[in-house]
Amino acid sequence: GDSVTQMEGPVTLSEEAFLTINCTYTATGYPSLFWYVQYPGEGLQLLLKATKADDKGSNKGFEATYRKETTSFHLEKGSVQVSDSAVYFCALSGGQAGTALIFGKGTTLSVSS
Amino acid sequence: GAGVSQSPSNKVTEKGKDVELRCDPISGHTALYWYRQSLGQGLEFLIYFQGNSAPDKSGLPSDRFSAERTGGSVSTLTIQRTQQEDSAVYLCASSLYYMNTEAFFGQGTRLTVV
Repeated sequence: GDSVTQMEGPVTLSEEAFLTINCTYTATGYPSLFWYVQYPGEGLQLLLKATKADDKGSNKGFEATYRKETTSFHLEKGSVQVSDSAVYFCALSGGQAGTALIFGKGTTLSVSS
Repeated sequence: GAGVSQSPSNKVTEKGKDVELRCDPISGHTALYWYRQSLGQGLEFLIYFQGNSAPDKSGLPSDRFSAERTGGSVSTLTIQRTQQEDSAVYLCASSLYYMNTEAFFGQGTRLTVV
């Protein structure tokens, strides 16, 4: 079945550092891809999404590009802030299998000043 | 309502008891999802509903778990004969359609089995 694999955490960075969180997927067809974020003490919320190959999703300085050739959707930010400390989840839905919405295991990001 | 509402927010139960967890999705959302979040285990997919039907029940961990949705709205997740390994945060989400659209999450129900 379809699946999402993301890098293990935790990721620890200093403020203003460059962030990459890797995400790869296995799916038939053309799923949509998402990044969700869970800030401490809060519920999950959508960060960004891309619905077709080569689309770039962006929000709050974060970006991710849907790469079908490498089945990847890596999350990047040029300069992280302490307030970006959270757990980040890569997810997919759709595709030929009609997968509802499945998530990777999550990556914890901790940013220090 | 304005968002996805789950109740109770916390539940402590004795091993062997049955529990019911409730989810009120955003009005008009056709899809509803249940997940389990355990420490270090990420988000484990349990079941989803398209309207009142559940096309994919493959994620339910055992036959002690069941779920239903009525009127295309409220959903209940029932765990029978709870075990300690059932302790987790149970999350509900809803979306306008069942694929390719943003899902909105509730705050979850923290279940502790003692």
